[in-house]
Amino acid sequence: KNEVEQSPQNLTAQEGEFITINCSYSVGISALHWLQQHPGGGIVSLFMLSSGKKKHGRLIATINIQEKHSSLHITASHPRDSAVYICAVRIKAAGNKLTFGGGTRVLVKP
Amino acid sequence: DSGVTQTPKHLITATGQRVTLRCSPRSGDLSVYWYQQSLDQGLQFLIQYYNGEERAKGNILERFSAQQFPDLHSELNLSSLELGDSALYFCASSKRLNTDTQYFGPGTRLTVL
Repeated sequence: KNEVEQSPQNLTAQEGEFITINCSYSVGISALHWLQQHPGGGIVSLFMLSSGKKKHGRLIATINIQEKHSSLHITASHPRDSAVYICAVRIKAAGNKLTFGGGTRVLVKP
Repeated sequence: DSGVTQTPKHLITATGQRVTLRCSPRSGDLSVYWYQQSLDQGLQFLIQYYNGEERAKGNILERFSAQQFPDLHSELNLSSLELGDSALYFCASSKRLNTDTQYFGPGTRLTVL
């Protein structure tokens, strides 16, 4: 079993829809990252969380440490949000190395 | 533009060869991370340096090595290359050790023929 699981693997939405991507992990962590990978391959770090909630523009990330779960929400989705979204956790017991989920491929149709 | 530069962008080489990938972190960032992204394995952490010292090691093969120089740029050396080493190699940097957002470079696409 992977230490970091994301769902869904693929998601198609219509422009304007609210999108939620989930990330569950099974280990003790010191932080969780959400990354966005564009079709061209470039990776952008969206959020780093250790508790609570963060918001940046139309993106909201939440984390529940007790339940070992995080969500990334995209409000009023737009075709330019089409990308792969990757959850990564920093594992306390592993020298804080970053372990990645398999990614969620999001396609937003106009 | 994240401020992290990687060279070269693309590299095509043959099995058994050795290559060096280079990364320059953002100005002021002391920590450098190397990642490998292959089709079958996804993103994997390879190794981390902080201010010239190795600080964490992930799934890095013995054929691979890295270092961070006094000017903080880093190099990842891949030797005795195999077909399975074909992947995107990303470098990322952050100001401090483990407590900051990481900024990713554009990646180096390595193709081993």
